[in-house]
Amino acid sequence: EVQLVESGGGLVQPGGSLRLSCAASGFTFSSYEMNWVRQAPGKGLEWISYFTSGGSIYYADSVKGRFTISRDNPKNSLYLQMNSLRAEDTGVYYCAGGGGYGAFDIWGQGTMVTVSS
Amino acid sequence: QLVLTQSPSASASLGASVKLTCTLSSGHNNYAIAWHQQQPEKGPRYLMQVNSDGSHNKGDGIPDRFSGSSSGAERYLTISSLQSEDEADYYCQTWVTGVRVFGGGTKLTVL
Repeated sequence: EVQLVESGGGLVQPGGSLRLSCAASGFTFSSYEMNWVRQAPGKGLEWISYFTSGGSIYYADSVKGRFTISRDNPKNSLYLQMNSLRAEDTGVYYCAGGGGYGAFDIWGQGTMVTVSS
Repeated sequence: QLVLTQSPSASASLGASVKLTCTLSSGHNNYAIAWHQQQPEKGPRYLMQVNSDGSHNKGDGIPDRFSGSSSGAERYLTISSLQSEDEADYYCQTWVTGVRVFGGGTKLTVL
């Protein structure tokens, strides 16, 4: 079964850090472009970062310099290190994969991140 | 700048058909998009990719009731024989090197 499972969310104070993980199974992880997407409460989807199968990395301006995406192909895992967290980073964080170029054809169920004092 | 525009809401009756629209920003008429469905309290699900020529390829297990088409800068998602479980938010998504973009989403109500 094709699956993405996120973990690592929780409550963190403003200025704090959190590391999210995404475990992949059922497909050839190393050949997929992998993304992080978030959704603030009651809002739409916002792309925040992607890591290509060839090793290129890109970030949305809203997280550049604060978040770091990484992947471990032998472990079929994707990560998001989030530093200097702000209240506006609160939301559900989804891992999403694309087997072609650009379209997200696999989604995880999400992990909730709450930034609050 | 690459932007996708969607109407915030749509509604249609049970058993009827509905056509949702996603509009690409000026100068991006030839871009493909993907449609995703997000049912209440769930994560998104990939429905299909729609290309500029109207061809589309659906995700695994997506019913035949869902189809895609294209005209100029507009990309469409048509859902026929609407069922209660089709009540959801629908997002379009596109891409260019370095950026992935979502539309604002359309909330579909099945009456």
